[in-house]
Amino acid sequence: KNQVEQSPQSLIILEGKNCTLQCNYTVSPFSNLRWYKQDTGRGPVSLTIMTFSENTKSNGRYTATLDADTKQSSLHITASQLSDSASYICVVSPLGQFYFGTGTSLTVIP
Amino acid sequence: GAVVSQHPSRVICKSGTSVKIECRSLDFQATTMFWYRQFPKKSLMLMATSNEGSKATYEQGVEKDKFLINHASLTLSTLTVTSAHPEDSSFYICSASVGGGGVGYTFGSGTRLTVV
Repeated sequence: KNQVEQSPQSLIILEGKNCTLQCNYTVSPFSNLRWYKQDTGRGPVSLTIMTFSENTKSNGRYTATLDADTKQSSLHITASQLSDSASYICVVSPLGQFYFGTGTSLTVIP
Repeated sequence: GAVVSQHPSRVICKSGTSVKIECRSLDFQATTMFWYRQFPKKSLMLMATSNEGSKATYEQGVEKDKFLINHASLTLSTLTVTSAHPEDSSFYICSASVGGGGVGYTFGSGTRLTVV
């Protein structure tokens, strides 16, 4: 069964600290994996996209990693800011289909 | 980059009326558009997939007569919630892709529907 699981479900960190979000999937075949940031009441915004052959991709303070052998991905946020408070969604895609993780709710506090 | 515009961002309607939500790809042609529904603190649930010029494909459990989807052009898809009930109140999000899942997969900003 194709599934995407994210952990932790929620996370609270202090401003300026780093954090890592996890995404494990069983989706097969694999085409690409995307990380999105969704602010409350807004649509998701793409952070990174990685194909099978890529194992890391950065976008500013966001760095995603992918291990296609173990079917795991992580999103590392460096020097967190209050504006990083949002839900982070992992989406795994075989061609033409999309499997969504349940998301991690991140709260950054001053 | 690819931009998807969704309108309106918020709408309040009375029970029994119909509401139309528009999803436009502004700088690319979207061969495929997707409509999602999202409940508070939950992940997105795919409602239907629409390809330009053909009938939408609905996910199991989604009433196609209640959620009418039209994708008449490569830049516009609409979702019409017919005979709205309070339980239809939700956050609806569209997304668009080129070629069914390529890099150009972008979400709209969402529509908060409240049925009173």
